[in-house]
Amino acid sequence: DVKVTQSSRYLVKRTGEKVFLECVQDMDHENMFWYRQDPGLGLRLIYFSYDVKMKEKGDIPEGYSVSREKKERFSLILESASTNQTSMYLCASTTPGTGLRETQYFGPGTRLLVL
Amino acid sequence: EDQVTQSPEALRLQEGESSSLNCSYTVSGLRGLFWYRQDPGKGPEFLFTLYSAGEEKEKERLKATLTKKESFLHITAPKPEDSATYLCAVQGSYGQNFVFGPGTRLSVLP
Repeated sequence: DVKVTQSSRYLVKRTGEKVFLECVQDMDHENMFWYRQDPGLGLRLIYFSYDVKMKEKGDIPEGYSVSREKKERFSLILESASTNQTSMYLCASTTPGTGLRETQYFGPGTRLLVL
Repeated sequence: EDQVTQSPEALRLQEGESSSLNCSYTVSGLRGLFWYRQDPGKGPEFLFTLYSAGEEKEKERLKATLTKKESFLHITAPKPEDSATYLCAVQGSYGQNFVFGPGTRLSVLP
């Protein structure tokens, strides 16, 4: 079974704090993704990584950074949390499919509240 | 730009009342179309991948079909436990990104 885990289910932080969200997958997947999900806006891609130390900006990277030092771990960093970053954060990774075929699997999500 | 829309936004069914959810897409070269189920407060759960027009996949009461412009998720004789938000996503030929639709919120009443 594919397993993607996230370090916390719920987090409450203060404005200005540095926040780390961690994601681990145990299936040797090369590609990993961070999304945020907000009511009425759906899933929006923040960053993704296709290899260790490699990263690409998604649609909404402002205010976020990422780190991928090991293949199985992909971290999302909020350098200085703001209230508009209150959201559900979802990590995903993709199986190395045959040819171009991939399937994306999600973690359980982290619900972050910034006060 | 790749785009995905889903309809209806919300659907309420009686238990046993079959229906279909629609996912319309525009993409530069389809690598895959994906269906997910998401329960409140949880991450999306993978259901199906479809790769080419005419392809169909089934799982219990769910059946997904694909044409060149849209996909349908048919729900046969739904049960209350099928209540969830169903998300559709596409991956185009260019790049690694998956583009998600806004979802259809399904409620199945006993």
